[in-house]
Amino acid sequence: QVQLRESGPGLVKPSETLSLTCSVSGDSISDYYWSWIRQPPGKGLEWIGYVYYSGPTTYSPSLKSRVTISVDTSKGQFSLRLTSVTAADTAVYYCARTNYYDSSGSRLHASYMDVWGRGTTVTVSS
Amino acid sequence: SSELTQDPAVSVALGQTVRITCQGDSLRSYPANWYQQKPGQAPVLVIYGTDNRPSGIPDRFSGSSSGNTASLTITGAQAEDEADYYCNSRDSSGNPVAFGGGTKLTVL
Repeated sequence: QVQLRESGPGLVKPSETLSLTCSVSGDSISDYYWSWIRQPPGKGLEWIGYVYYSGPTTYSPSLKSRVTISVDTSKGQFSLRLTSVTAADTAVYYCARTNYYDSSGSRLHASYMDVWGRGTTVTVSS
Repeated sequence: SSELTQDPAVSVALGQTVRITCQGDSLRSYPANWYQQKPGQAPVLVIYGTDNRPSGIPDRFSGSSSGNTASLTITGAQAEDEADYYCNSRDSSGNPVAFGGGTKLTVL
């Protein structure tokens, strides 16, 4: 059973860089996309971006200028870097496996997040 | 603002049927997925690809779509179904992932 676990600092100073890692266990990191999603306190879910296991990335247009997502298949990990953070970046950050295929192996036209980490709270404050 | 629109709150009597909707132009072309999130917990996928139910999800959860509206139906709502529900799909600009604003379901 695949499990995801987020790790990284819980407190980041304004203007600095937020760095988080998601460790994947119980299955290979291959053949999937891997997403970062965040949720500000009391608000809804916001997709940050994803990385394919072989390296290509796609980012949310609203965060694209500040985000880098990378993958390390040898370690079974993928990572998030968000630069120039402000208080608006305070949120629970989730990593999630992102899938494009249904149970019969047919490709869908939109992805879905079928496995989520428990989330990690990141506060931006001096 | 989200390109997928959900009602902020919906209520249902215990044991009754409730439909939670998600509207957006992209839903005319792309399937919707649904997630359940309880307080302090990570979201859980309950429906994907419009009407597919992951293993372990009770069959009282079902999904459908018509035109620009996707729906999540809970037939015989239980107390444990009280949660926030989020839809997701592509957005109308072609970006691969967008979320609706979420619907808070109260089971009375």
